Amino acid sequence: QSVLTQPPSVSAAPGQKVTISCSGSSSNIGSNFVSWYQLLPGTVPKLLIYDNNKRPSGIPDRFSGSKSDTSATLDITGLQTGDEANYYCGTWETSLSFVVFGGGTKLTVV
Amino acid sequence: QLRLQESGPGAVRPSETLSLTCTVSGGAVTSDPYYWGWIRQPPGKGLEFIGSINFRGTTYDSPSLRRRVSMSVDTSKNQFSLHVYSVTPADTAVYYCARVFEGPGWYLGYFDHWGLGTLVTVSS
Repeated sequence: QSVLTQPPSVSAAPGQKVTISCSGSSSNIGSNFVSWYQLLPGTVPKLLIYDNNKRPSGIPDRFSGSKSDTSATLDITGLQTGDEANYYCGTWETSLSFVVFGGGTKLTVV
Repeated sequence: QLRLQESGPGAVRPSETLSLTCTVSGGAVTSDPYYWGWIRQPPGKGLEFIGSINFRGTTYDSPSLRRRVSMSVDTSKNQFSLHVYSVTPADTAVYYCARVFEGPGWYLGYFDHWGLGTLVTVSS
């Protein structure tokens, strides 16, 4: 059971937009920055978003993040088949001083 | 370009110790304000933070694994290591090493560079 809650799966057509949610509590998302990761089997995991809404160099602006209160969202626009992957949110858990992740969301582009 | 690579046995017997090393290239483990972390993903499950360490030896770790885990850094080899003691089949997972940014105010922010991961199976 993950501390942060994500939908197990989402799907959308190529070119469309998808939103992945990440729900937590006041001791994690509510008081800390959120980051998002893309995991694709056989490849190095990639940081997509850090500090709620910042993109590392090389991440296209099709990927955007936001946070409100104890929830965060990752938006992906202009979906491509190459975006099919598992996406995880992560943040700091203040009460116990460690990192927590969501259970992951599998994105299917159909 | 910073690169990280995990190495270690792909199989460990129950009750024994799982030991992994992460070799860093293209950057130094002595960099501030970074920690060096371990994350694992059991088959069919999500990510789990194991712990992290900086070159001074300061650590952050998971409360659920704290009693069975130790970490170290070898600055001369630009490597850091993980040991998980008394393993069980529940420790079977893909183990990732990663660089972690430490934010001001003593918290870990984000994992910005990862290794490819290595599968470790615990079985007799």
